[in-house]
Amino acid sequence: AQTVTQSQPEMSVQEAETVTLSCTYDTSESNYYLFWYKQPPSRQMILVIRQEAYKQQNATENRFSVNFQKAAKSFSLKISDSQLGDTAMYFCAFRDSKETSGSRLTFGEGTQLTVNP
Amino acid sequence: NAGVTQTPKFQVLKTGQSMTLQCAQDMNHEYMSWYRQDPGMGLRLIHYSVGAGITDQGEVPNGYNVSRSTTEDFPLRLLSAAPSQTSVYFCASSLLPYSNQPQHFGDGTRLSIL
Repeated sequence: AQTVTQSQPEMSVQEAETVTLSCTYDTSESNYYLFWYKQPPSRQMILVIRQEAYKQQNATENRFSVNFQKAAKSFSLKISDSQLGDTAMYFCAFRDSKETSGSRLTFGEGTQLTVNP
Repeated sequence: NAGVTQTPKFQVLKTGQSMTLQCAQDMNHEYMSWYRQDPGMGLRLIHYSVGAGITDQGEVPNGYNVSRSTTEDFPLRLLSAAPSQTSVYFCASSLLPYSNQPQHFGDGTRLSIL
């Protein structure tokens, strides 16, 4: 079974600075998908960024980018120019492509990020 | 575009009561799923459906029942509520299963079992 580990329960950063959130996963599959979701205090689950394992190029979405290291099974999220609105719980999630998986998302435990003014 | 709509947003039940959490999506998504979120943990899959008339168990299915009679609706039933089912429940949908299509989440239902 796949597992996802986020080793940083809490992090803080000053506004306008850059922060990196770590995520590692374990799988024997070669084709899969990785996601970062953001959950602000409103409780909504908001997709931040996604990465296909077959793509070597790291995904970017405006201020958000990932460092995907397939061999190391690592998928970190970098937030540049941090804003107060980035304060949230961030979840790393894994989804494989096999029908037997139920297309489930396997989530990490989450990292609570606080952006300080 | 409403996306994924969950009702109710909050609910308090007594042990042994039954209830249904409603989930509807208006995006014509084939795949729908239910997750629960407990403190200090990520979301865990309860049940899922890859299309109308097709459902299957996820990681933590015990005590829950689902059906998918239409593409739009995917209700979650608690058969006999237990305190261990106190949690926040999320419904999610995506256009296709087994793909890079992201799951869209509802706003969640906070359920307390006394």
